[in-house]
Amino acid sequence: EDKVVQSPLSLVVHEGDTVTLNCSYEVTNFRSLLWYKQEKKAPTFLFMLTSSGIEKKSGRLSSILDKKELFSILNITATQTGDSAVYLCAVQEYGNKLVFGAGTILRVKS
Amino acid sequence: DVKVTQSSRYLVKRTGEKVFLECVQDMDHENMFWYRQDPGLGLRLIYFSYDVKMKEKGDIPEGYSVSREKKERFSLILESASTNQTSMYLCASSISGPSYEQYFGPGTRLTVT
Repeated sequence: EDKVVQSPLSLVVHEGDTVTLNCSYEVTNFRSLLWYKQEKKAPTFLFMLTSSGIEKKSGRLSSILDKKELFSILNITATQTGDSAVYLCAVQEYGNKLVFGAGTILRVKS
Repeated sequence: DVKVTQSSRYLVKRTGEKVFLECVQDMDHENMFWYRQDPGLGLRLIYFSYDVKMKEKGDIPEGYSVSREKKERFSLILESASTNQTSMYLCASSISGPSYEQYFGPGTRLTVT
């Protein structure tokens, strides 16, 4: 059965800290891995990763994929209270279906 | 900008009622999806559609049906709502192709009493 596992399930950090969120997967027909940020509404797209070892970066956020070890990490540096959200990892299978992990709840304290 | 809208943000229904959740996207996307989101379980796929009048079951289709009569609109139907269908329902759409992100609507929080 296809599955995506995120860790930790939740964490609390202080502003300015750096956090690393983990996503491991077991999926039969891997196409890509996606990261979303969800505040109290629609998940918003962060990154799509298709190739191993190539870092994607957007401001203080970055992500990388390891297709050999079947995992990805999302890094957030110099965290701010606005980074507080649920971070969702999803793996796209052949046919555009997404398999989601349970999410990591991040709370950044000021 | 892609816009995905859902008919209601909050909905309260009684057990046994028929419930319609509507989703509309304005970017001519071929693919549309319905998920439910529950704490600790993440998003789980209920149904999806690749084209008008076409539908496929996702991972948890029991108790649900869907309708796609027009390309921009994808409806989720709960034929006889039950309390275990209390959840957040999210609609999404995407372009058809090898790797394209899905765009999500704001969600409908459904409570069945």
